Amino acid sequence: DQQVKQNSPSLSVQEGRISILNCDYTNSMFDYFLWYKKYPAEGPTFLISISSIKDKNEDGRFTVFLNKSAKHLSLHIVPSQPGDSAVYFCAAYTGNQFYFGTGTSLTVIP
Amino acid sequence: GAVVSQHPSWVICKSGTSVKIECRSLDFQATTMFWYRQFPKQSLMLMATSNEGSKATYEQGVEKDKFLINHASLTLSTLTVTSAHPEDSSFYICSARDNNREIGEKLFFGSGTQLSVL
Repeated sequence: DQQVKQNSPSLSVQEGRISILNCDYTNSMFDYFLWYKKYPAEGPTFLISISSIKDKNEDGRFTVFLNKSAKHLSLHIVPSQPGDSAVYFCAAYTGNQFYFGTGTSLTVIP
Repeated sequence: GAVVSQHPSWVICKSGTSVKIECRSLDFQATTMFWYRQFPKQSLMLMATSNEGSKATYEQGVEKDKFLINHASLTLSTLTVTSAHPEDSSFYICSARDNNREIGEKLFFGSGTQLSVL
């Protein structure tokens, strides 16, 4: 049972524009939500997180929004840069367990 | 930040041989490590959860006799792909959990191992 879902396997965005990556979840008990970034042939690295008691967290060009009623979160990247091209994994955390989505491959076109 | 070392980064082997992949937490003790397999076009599949001093917990559909996991110390977990076949060719990634850190630093990933079975 996939508790964290990323329904868009890929996304292409022009450099300088906004990238919006989406993630849906089913378990209302998740305490935190995280985004990881992964380049080819490398392990994922932590990007940004948000507590379940907040609805927004911002870190530079990256902002994560959480809509608990819709069980939906999104990652906004503004402005998008070619170096942002990677696979982005959404993850949820509760009870010392991490649950990952299947990833969205972002391509930022110069 | 904490570092997780995964070795080897790339291995080619003949069909029928066994391959061992190591995952080490370099500056923290990890009672729990995870093994993933990345299929083409990015999906990250959890294979098993490796617990120090006890048997690993395998996800549904993952053959425990095929993918042997040993977590003998608080800093080392190994994944052995036994009698490897071409369909086992994939990118394998480990991660280690540091329970003493804040949420953004609880989980660290290794750099992955690309396995190619001829």
